[in-house]
Amino acid sequence: LAKTTQPISMDSYEGQEVNITCSHNNIATNDYITWYQQFPSQGPRFIIQGYKTKVTNEVASLFIPADRKSSTLSLPRVSLSDTAVYYCLVGSYSGAGSYQLTFGKGTKLSVIP
Amino acid sequence: EADIYQTPRYLVIGTGKKITLECSQTMGHDKMYWYQQDPGMELHLIHYSYGVNSTEKGDLSSESTVSRIRTEHFPLTLESARPSHTSQYLCASRPFLDRGNTGELFFGEGSRLTVL
Repeated sequence: LAKTTQPISMDSYEGQEVNITCSHNNIATNDYITWYQQFPSQGPRFIIQGYKTKVTNEVASLFIPADRKSSTLSLPRVSLSDTAVYYCLVGSYSGAGSYQLTFGKGTKLSVIP
Repeated sequence: EADIYQTPRYLVIGTGKKITLECSQTMGHDKMYWYQQDPGMELHLIHYSYGVNSTEKGDLSSESTVSRIRTEHFPLTLESARPSHTSQYLCASRPFLDRGNTGELFFGEGSRLTVL
């Protein structure tokens, strides 16, 4: 069962780049890594997804090393509105063989003025 | 804007009542999920479905049940609500892509349930 591990919390000042790393030692060959952002009382929102190397979109970059056992979400120049919980998500198979999408504990990012 | 809807958004009921939380999506997604989340805590997968007439239990043991009679509809039912069921319930769906490519999970706005 693939499991993700992230830092519980991080603090950053406005305008700084923030890097959040997630470990997923048991990731399967075919699995992608997906990151989500969640604000209080809302459902998570998709940020970025990747399989290997580097992916960039208008809000973030995702770095995945060759062994794919970890990934790093990079948020450039964060603002107060980026204060949220960030989850990395990797699918996994249950004991019964079903493919599940199980979230980890996430990283609570607090952006300080 | 995600086309996935949950009702009710908020519900306060007494112990022992039967309730159904509705979830509908108009994107034609085969895969749908229910997560339970307490304030400030992680999401727990309680049920999921790969398509019509397919349902599976997730990691977190739940006394709720689900059904999937139509692709667009994935309701969650509690036969007899208890205070321990007080939580937020989030429904999500996604398209089927390649094996291992989970794509984007689209979430509803959630149903916040309070059982007195």
